[in-house]
Amino acid sequence: DAKTTQPPSMDCAEGRAANLPCNHSTISGNEYVYWYRQIHSQGPQYIIHGLKNNETNEMASLIITEDRKSSTLILPHATLRDTAVYYCIVRRSGAGSYQLTFGKGTKLSVIP
Amino acid sequence: DTEVTQTPKHLVMGMTNKKSLKCEQHMGHRAMYWYKQKAKKPPELMFVYSYEKLSINESVPSRFSPECPNSSLLNLHLHALQPEDSALYLCASSQGGGLYNEQFFGPGTRLTVL
Repeated sequence: DAKTTQPPSMDCAEGRAANLPCNHSTISGNEYVYWYRQIHSQGPQYIIHGLKNNETNEMASLIITEDRKSSTLILPHATLRDTAVYYCIVRRSGAGSYQLTFGKGTKLSVIP
Repeated sequence: DTEVTQTPKHLVMGMTNKKSLKCEQHMGHRAMYWYKQKAKKPPELMFVYSYEKLSINESVPSRFSPECPNSSLLNLHLHALQPEDSALYLCASSQGGGLYNEQFFGPGTRLTVL
């Protein structure tokens, strides 16, 4: 699976949009971008995933550049409960592909 | 029910003890996972069970022994652990592999080895 690069930490004011970048310049055509987050002392939580089109769900939006070499996770109105470590993961979609390889992630702090 | 439950929440054991961690899900998922997470580090995959058969063992020492008694349960048997094995042990499940791999994680068992 392709490697990802994320900033180690970011701050965001409560109520503002949080934009978390991820670089994955070696991504292959059959690899998806997944985002998980881990709130302190809890298990990771799935947020969203995509291949090349932008995706949106009730938690967040995922914007993938046209060349697929980078993506941005957007939390539209950050709250204090969104303070967590956010992991960007690139992985294959083939049958029998189970691994999630977590990188170091971005520690997002939402500030009142 | 969209929960993965893990017991116990905390466990303290000596290096000569034998203990087990338990994980349960009732989402009908056919893949289950054990991860290990050291403090301030990302989770690392240990084992994957697919349809109750061990599918992946990421070169984990034999003092960790997984077991999948049925499609809803996953155990991790611990024996002769070392202090460096102290960590948060996370269980997860997913519908399957490949594209359908949204993994649902439990809250973890925090293990301390004395």
